[in-house]
Amino acid sequence: NAGVTQTPKFRVLKTGQSMTLLCAQDMNHEYMYWYRQDPGMGLRLIHYSVGEGTTAKGEVPDGYNVSRLKKQNFLLGLESAAPSQTSVYFCASRIPGADTQYFGPGTRLTVL
Amino acid sequence: GEDVEQSLFLSVREGDSSVINCTYTDSSSTYLYWYKQEPGAGLQLLTYIFSNMDMKQDQRLTVLLNKKDKHLSLRIADTQTGDSAIYFCAESPPRGGYNKLIFGAGTRLAVHP
Repeated sequence: NAGVTQTPKFRVLKTGQSMTLLCAQDMNHEYMYWYRQDPGMGLRLIHYSVGEGTTAKGEVPDGYNVSRLKKQNFLLGLESAAPSQTSVYFCASRIPGADTQYFGPGTRLTVL
Repeated sequence: GEDVEQSLFLSVREGDSSVINCTYTDSSSTYLYWYKQEPGAGLQLLTYIFSNMDMKQDQRLTVLLNKKDKHLSLRIADTQTGDSAIYFCAESPPRGGYNKLIFGAGTRLAVHP
């Protein structure tokens, strides 16, 4: 049982490039989330999903897209990366009604 | 608005107790959480408290909740160097229905000999 895993762990992009971050969970959780963490700030919710095939916007969705084609995977896409998207990205998942979210180890993204 | 506030830094001597404080805004939050983040790692749930409780103890950890003042604290007894990390307070407002977590900016705990 690996829990929540994220790929890649690190990435450096140039402005305007695109990339996809992958989150996978093997706990059969319905809900999945993408957060970003910036220095001196708490985690902020980008997008979330309450089930396969559904996604919704969080607090800071601009510049990102997501897809949940399979229950175990939640993808976060950057179509045209900007330096303001330099951050650490965390994925999380949970069961509906459960009292906590389980977090992945994070992806550190730098946009030059 | 939604805002969880914490002091940014705390330094304690090994063996002393650490107290990390947090204030939150939504009095209807069902659960309040403490997460720990070690360098280069994700967030790990340390403990949580249900809103109808005043106190919860779990080994070296004691959580105190003052609902009137919307104040949450985490006490770590006999603090060790392995406790050095960033500690995040989070609230879970009931609106939204998807367990939206509102995080504070985190308190960096430094433990020195």
